[in-house]
Amino acid sequence: QVQLQESGPGLVKPSQTLSLTCTVSGGSISSGGYYWTWIRQHPGKGLEWIGYIYYSGSTYYNPSLKSRITISLDASKNQFSLKLNSVTAADTAVYYCATYNSNWFDPWGQGTLVTVSS
Amino acid sequence: QTVVTQEPSLTVSPGGTVTLTCASSTGAVTSSFYPNWFQQKPGQAPRALIYNTSNKHSWTPARFSGSLLGGKAALTLSGVQPEDEAEYHCLLYYGADNWIFGGGTKLTVL
Repeated sequence: QVQLQESGPGLVKPSQTLSLTCTVSGGSISSGGYYWTWIRQHPGKGLEWIGYIYYSGSTYYNPSLKSRITISLDASKNQFSLKLNSVTAADTAVYYCATYNSNWFDPWGQGTLVTVSS
Repeated sequence: QTVVTQEPSLTVSPGGTVTLTCASSTGAVTSSFYPNWFQQKPGQAPRALIYNTSNKHSWTPARFSGSLLGGKAALTLSGVQPEDEAEYHCLLYYGADNWIFGGGTKLTVL
């Protein structure tokens, strides 16, 4: 059973780059059919799909964030990553990684809070 | 900008029935939006409940059902239990691998 765990700094300064990693256990990130996904939730608000990467490396991004984000895979570590540059306080959120198998989004990681503040 | 709208909050009595809806600013929601529903309890990550309009996961209680209703995606809970008190999120697909969540519905069981 696949499990996901987010990791990365909990505090990022404005204008810097937010970098998060999702470690996958119980399955291979290189196995076909899965889109490795990032989703975020602003404090007290709804969810926002950030984007996903297919096992082949093809990426698909939220148009509103596309200019600032990069999602990548590291098969050797069974991890995938999110980089969001030029962050502002509006990027403060709980960031979740999840899998999408062309039908449903599950499982999800437990989420990690990233605060943007000087 | 496309907006997906859910009821901000709903209250239901234990044992009752409640329907949550998910509307698109672009028009009627159809099965081509592949509606997904998630349940989120405080301090927890969301958990998938329904996918592709009406399909349940193995862990989804039978009292939850998904449908299309009046141009919206709908999640109906029949025989509500106290443990169903949670935030419910819908998710719609807009093509070109673009997904948009609704703002969430806080369901209170009272």
